Amino acid sequence: GAGVSQSPRYKVAKRGQDVALRCDPISGHVSLFWYQQALGQGPEFLTYFQNEAQLDKSGLPSDRFFAERPEGSVSTLKIQRTQQEDSAVYLCASSLRRANEKLFFGSGTQLSVL
Amino acid sequence: AQSVSQHNHHVILSEAASLELGCNYSYGGTVNLFWYVQYPGQHLQLLLKYFSGDPLVKGIKGFEAEFIKSKFSFNLRKPSVQWSDTAEYFCAVNALYGGATNKLIFGTGTLLAVQP
Repeated sequence: GAGVSQSPRYKVAKRGQDVALRCDPISGHVSLFWYQQALGQGPEFLTYFQNEAQLDKSGLPSDRFFAERPEGSVSTLKIQRTQQEDSAVYLCASSLRRANEKLFFGSGTQLSVL
Repeated sequence: AQSVSQHNHHVILSEAASLELGCNYSYGGTVNLFWYVQYPGQHLQLLLKYFSGDPLVKGIKGFEAEFIKSKFSFNLRKPSVQWSDTAEYFCAVNALYGGATNKLIFGTGTLLAVQP
């Protein structure tokens, strides 16, 4: 596609439920990033992939968060046993090579945990 | 730890007014600096960036930003705003140590509302 695609656009989960968020980056983009944006805040880094390798997961807030990109294209961010504090917009971005280049963002998945 | 501060959380201007949004970062080494913009209902997109060279950089839609290393600042400016500039603006820093790092640190954003 022309841009970064994320699905679902909105997700409502009951506390304790597992969720999976999908990101389709721009074709050919090597780098893929996940960010978490809480209401009224700027995006906060979660994790970074270069092709299929997860090179940095320092921003994942707990071991309930897990991300993968098994074939170096589509990525999934999984949150297990969701908590209310996980409610946020989850943004995916890709770049041709690295973060110090232009990032192309998706529209995000708005997660609400009740 | 690196951080980015945007002092103006909410700015309201009339059309044709001049704009300056403040951005300061905390990191003493080499940085790459960015401004991203999010128009209502759209995704984040790059407005402009500074890597090296001329500290005054020009971006899309008439925006410019000036890197002042001594002040750790990268303020965004536009001489005359339009209603279509209504959006949220994010400053971001990519700190370089031993080579490029792989993550941007974002500020909390400034919501700009331009009144027609």
